[in-house]
Amino acid sequence: RKEVEQDPGPFNVPEGATVAFNCTYSNSASQSFFWYRQDCRKEPKLLMSVYSSGNEDGRFTAQLNRASQYISLLIRDSKLSDSATYLCVVNSVRDDKIIFGKGTRLHILP
Amino acid sequence: EPEVTQTPSHQVTQMGQEVILRCVPISNHLYFYWYRQILGQKVEFLVSFYNNEISEKSEIFDDQFSVERPDGSNFTLKIRSTKLEDSAMYFCASTHGGIYEQYFGPGTRLTVT
Repeated sequence: RKEVEQDPGPFNVPEGATVAFNCTYSNSASQSFFWYRQDCRKEPKLLMSVYSSGNEDGRFTAQLNRASQYISLLIRDSKLSDSATYLCVVNSVRDDKIIFGKGTRLHILP
Repeated sequence: EPEVTQTPSHQVTQMGQEVILRCVPISNHLYFYWYRQILGQKVEFLVSFYNNEISEKSEIFDDQFSVERPDGSNFTLKIRSTKLEDSAMYFCASTHGGIYEQYFGPGTRLTVT
């Protein structure tokens, strides 16, 4: 099993639709979880941290299921500006190891 | 808003040459990282640095690589003898602490010819 695995994508979604990203991780000692977005040839930018209780920031909702070692990101009412690659990031503090998923590319269609 | 900066934005070098990539992390951050991303591929962890020493490194970070924080503000990545396969985008990142979100610099595009 890969350390961090994401939907392969790309996702082509009409503007206004809801889109969901999934991510699984293999290291049960992982302690912190994040979603980043990366625009073409740019640095990853933090979108949101992911907490066990789930968290929401405007149109974005992130969920963590530690038992299943699964993380999700939901984008509601998608905008053209949401087009990017979404990266799932998992951090194991015990060995200070940060693992990125390969990312899922999202294209929002007008 | 404080940000991580990196210089140069693009470095072209010949195979076998040494390069130094520079980063200025956010000033009150304590943990520093280097990553690389080969074009079209995933972001790969290289090394983490805390309290003036390497805390973790990946298998990519071999003897050709070294890091340094020479003056309390800069954080550098040195590649001793570059290879063609070192061509990639190199990102520096910093954070308050290991469990917190990392903030990335804009990257240095390294091209080895």
